[in-house]
Amino acid sequence: DSGVTQTPKHLITATGQRVTLRCSPRSGDLSVYWYQQSLDQGLQFLIQYYNGEERAKGNILERFSAQQFPDLHSELNLSSLELGDSALYFCASSAQGSYGYTFGSGTRLTVV
Amino acid sequence: DAKTTQPNSMESNEEEPVHLPCNHSTISGTDYIHWYRQLPSQGPEYVIHGLTSNVNNRMASLAIAEDRKSSTLILHRATLRDAAVYYCIPIRYNYGQNFVFGPGTRLSVLP
Repeated sequence: DSGVTQTPKHLITATGQRVTLRCSPRSGDLSVYWYQQSLDQGLQFLIQYYNGEERAKGNILERFSAQQFPDLHSELNLSSLELGDSALYFCASSAQGSYGYTFGSGTRLTVV
Repeated sequence: DAKTTQPNSMESNEEEPVHLPCNHSTISGTDYIHWYRQLPSQGPEYVIHGLTSNVNNRMASLAIAEDRKSSTLILHRATLRDAAVYYCIPIRYNYGQNFVFGPGTRLSVLP
């Protein structure tokens, strides 16, 4: 157990639907990062939050949004889902001044 | 962001040392060199990081070239459990961090 908890582990939904992925960072970590990994593809950075504020944005589609709540957990919202959104979504967290990033085990999203 | 170049794949025999190279010729002076690995169906796992000096931990050693344009991750005795994709990532600790994973090196360990 890395200390970063992602739920659900698996999610199957239909095209056009909306889903929410949840991430609880490691205790004490203020930063949360979201990544997307499609089949046989590399990890694509989506977005970073630090203590509730958006800090960095990567290749995140307009149909996707995220937020970090006061208790530091984060949610990634994916809407108008397309088949190509099927992927593993990873969350990572880090502490301020920390040199290591801890990843969760991911949510596998399948859009049918 | 500094770009990295790693071999697509490498092979090693079990219990032999493995040297995984990474070229990061555009690295800036304040970028730390991080290594992560990803086992099949799992999230990436931190392995080691360094700035200028060579580093050792229980998992691996990191050798950094004097000009910092390249580094080598050293697994002293490869096991079957070390079969994974290994990523070398220059990371700059600033206000917003956008650390980018390249394709990495897929390490196969033969029994």
